[in-house]
Amino acid sequence: TQLLEQSPQFLSIQEGENLTVYCNSSSVFSSLQWYRQEPGEGPVLLVTVVTGGEVKKLKRLTFQFGDARKDSSLHITAAQPGDTGLYLCAGGQGAQKLVFGQGTRLTINP
Amino acid sequence: DTEVTQTPKHLVMGMTNKKSLKCEQHMGHRAMYWYKQKAKKPPELMFVYSYEKLSINESVPSRFSPECPNSSLLNLHLHALQPEDSALYLCASSQKVSSSYEQYFGPGTRLTVT
Repeated sequence: TQLLEQSPQFLSIQEGENLTVYCNSSSVFSSLQWYRQEPGEGPVLLVTVVTGGEVKKLKRLTFQFGDARKDSSLHITAAQPGDTGLYLCAGGQGAQKLVFGQGTRLTINP
Repeated sequence: DTEVTQTPKHLVMGMTNKKSLKCEQHMGHRAMYWYKQKAKKPPELMFVYSYEKLSINESVPSRFSPECPNSSLLNLHLHALQPEDSALYLCASSQKVSSSYEQYFGPGTRLTVT
């Protein structure tokens, strides 16, 4: 069974600071998605990366897929209170299954 | 449009009740999923439908019964649930049947079993 280890599990920082969330595995994934989830709502897809070494940017968020497609990172620049939420990475495991990391609960304090 | 809708938003049911959760998508996706999510945990896969046929059942108890009436709709029928089944139930869909690529989630149904 493929596992995704996400770190840190909790992160509380001040508005304007930068942060990085990591998602690591010993297994290769065909694709990796990042989601953000608000309390009581479903996860919202932020990005999908499929190519080793790929970097994608979404405004202040930068996503990177490791060269070997075993790890990924999410970097947020100048964090804002609206970035608060649960961030989940999820890797494609064969056909139709996603392996989820345990999530990073991010709080941005004004 | 990447919207998946779910009804109801909240549901409270007794252990002897029968209820159904509904999910709908109009993106032409041919794979649809049911997940269960407990507090502070990631979603856990329950069922996968591909081209309206059940393709994956993650050893879910028979008190949960999925149904896919057509390519846009997915139901989850609930009967004789236990309090530990209380959770957020999420529906998702994806365009590609042969991979887990880009699953889009609905807002979920918050289920409480009393």
